[in-house]
Amino acid sequence: DIQMTQSPSSLSASVGDRVTITCRASQSISRYLNWYQQKPGKAPKLLIYAASSFQSGVPSRFSGSGSGTDFTLTISSLQPEDFATYYCQQSYSTLYTFGQGTKLEIK
Amino acid sequence: EVQLLESGGGLVQPGGSLRLSCAASGFTFTSYAMTWVRQAPGKGLEWVSSITGSGGSTYYADSVKGRFTISRDNSKNTLYLQMNSLRAEDTAVYYCAKNLGGLIRFSYGMDVWGQGTTVTVSS
Repeated sequence: DIQMTQSPSSLSASVGDRVTITCRASQSISRYLNWYQQKPGKAPKLLIYAASSFQSGVPSRFSGSGSGTDFTLTISSLQPEDFATYYCQQSYSTLYTFGQGTKLEIK
Repeated sequence: EVQLLESGGGLVQPGGSLRLSCAASGFTFTSYAMTWVRQAPGKGLEWVSSITGSGGSTYYADSVKGRFTISRDNSKNTLYLQMNSLRAEDTAVYYCAKNLGGLIRFSYGMDVWGQGTTVTVSS
């Protein structure tokens, strides 16, 4: 199975900060990497698919990049509503895997 | 409006069975692969199973293979997850999700999610 490793596991930041979360795959997954945002008690929300494509309605302050094994999710200027947990997920294989999550907290 | 509505969760004893349902509306159900994802209390997301639009191909996480069965009734726009031989570690919120396209491999994530249904396995 393809393992997905996110870093950091948690992150404290302030409104207006630029934040980067990384995700590493245990083997090449081309660009079949997706990012989700989850708030407490809610279902996950797809933000970015195919490493860098925006899902409809996602603010432009979110961006994704990478290919192969290394990927990043960047939030250019944190807003209060962005404090949540973020997950990467590979869809290269028929056996999907998620990263362990990055909890973004207010400093 | 595109919508997924799960049902069927509840409390079950270890070794018991439960069937989850996910009613879909607002899109052409047969055109999309569907996926179940679970989240244990305080833990991250875990992929459980996926099925192609026709229902002809199914895939399972090792943790549930041989115990869980995913299926769909395209005439009823409904996705199912039959869960047998349940264990305490299957306790979680179970989400059904619509794949962004018809494929499972080389695909683009899940763009619509249900609200989740809670399964608790305990004596």
